[in-house]
Amino acid sequence: KAGVTQTPRYLIKTRGQQVTLSCSPISGHRSVSWYQQTPGQGLQFLFEYFSETQRNKGNFPGRFSGRQFSNSRSEMNVSTLELGDSALYLCASSISETQYFGPGTRLLVL
Amino acid sequence: AQSVTQPDIHITVSEGASLELRCNYSYGATPYLFWYVQSPGQGLQLLLKYFSGDTLVQGIKGFEAEFKRSQSSFNLRKPSVHWSDAAEYFCAVGAGNNDMRFGAGTRLTVKP
Repeated sequence: KAGVTQTPRYLIKTRGQQVTLSCSPISGHRSVSWYQQTPGQGLQFLFEYFSETQRNKGNFPGRFSGRQFSNSRSEMNVSTLELGDSALYLCASSISETQYFGPGTRLLVL
Repeated sequence: AQSVTQPDIHITVSEGASLELRCNYSYGATPYLFWYVQSPGQGLQLLLKYFSGDTLVQGIKGFEAEFKRSQSSFNLRKPSVHWSDAAEYFCAVGAGNNDMRFGAGTRLTVKP
């Protein structure tokens, strides 16, 4: 089975712009979670979607949003980018309480 | 809510030496426990997991971990470290419904 894929792998944006990241889960996985990873804060949970519904949400501002489509693919959007949003964004799909991670999208905000 | 502590930020071991990475969790019920490994710039790879049953679990790449309920610990071990094991290791605890918390990570350096 193919693993979790994330696109794009790298992104450079400027402050104030918005960005959309995409995640395709492992076939058959209905849950997708998103994490932000930075050297200072470590791995922080953003949100989780299951069957197109947000089931869990972390402690991030409303600028961070997501959605899930009927084929379980998920997107996350960050509006009005700030310098502090520079991070590795990881997506994980899960089945039976086990999460499998994609390679991440490296976002740099200038 | 559940939480995880990895007391060691950085560990250095010689190639061929044994390794133990510590993980302590806080959770009221029997947790789901995981160890992941991350190479620089990459995603996290699942090494092993514990849900129930035998408290000594075997994983990939020769790793194993032992769940000790009395100590709220889930330490990761490897009898002989290889240079390719240099990476960052994350312990995680799940409470169900994919509600997971990760530790801060332990960076492993392997000396030749």
